Amino acid sequence: DTGVSQDPRHKITKRGQNVTFRCDPISEHNRLYWYRQTLGQGPEFLTYFQNEAQLEKSRLLSDRFSAERPKGSFSTLEIQRTEQGDSAMYLCASSLGSSGGSYQETQYFGPGTRLLVL
Amino acid sequence: AQKVTQAQTEISVVEKEDVTLDCVYETRDTTYYLFWYKQPPSGELVFLIRRNSFDEQNEISGRYSWNFQKSTSSFNFTITASQVVDSAVYFCALGNFNKFYFGSGTKLNVKP
Repeated sequence: DTGVSQDPRHKITKRGQNVTFRCDPISEHNRLYWYRQTLGQGPEFLTYFQNEAQLEKSRLLSDRFSAERPKGSFSTLEIQRTEQGDSAMYLCASSLGSSGGSYQETQYFGPGTRLLVL
Repeated sequence: AQKVTQAQTEISVVEKEDVTLDCVYETRDTTYYLFWYKQPPSGELVFLIRRNSFDEQNEISGRYSWNFQKSTSSFNFTITASQVVDSAVYFCALGNFNKFYFGSGTKLNVKP
């Protein structure tokens, strides 16, 4: 049973550089989520996709951040012109969404990408 | 507003002790879901349990048990006879409409 995978696991970059992270969800899952986690805090929601459609974005997701899920499978999260405040763990999760409304299925998380901006 | 509070930042116990991790939530929704996740040092969040707001029955799974009390908006997690492998950060989360709201976590240290 293959879980959620993320690549790379660690990334060190210099301020001002662009970085891109990849997430491969559990194969049959149609929903994919991105979270950011800073030290000593719980994960904070950034955005989520249902298939290839990006349905919601948090106000935490500034214009420098962009996420895609072009074929409804893997997803990428790009940060342009990185800043030191972007240093965090970026977590991806996936779930098998069913009907709409207030039903909330379980999200399964990947190991995360730890970003350090120097 | 949706909010989860885990007031215990860090707890240390000696192996075989019982320990309870507290979780208090706020929501105006009548239907919602509560979750507990474990985050070991490796970083991956491991799913432990999911409950919906209409099911207040307590649950036991091995050494783990959960107490959901809607009247006090709490969803507490108890580990019985703790083990060193239980050492991790534990997160409580409130989920609804495809968004999760996490507490700040409780770090559990189990000493041999």
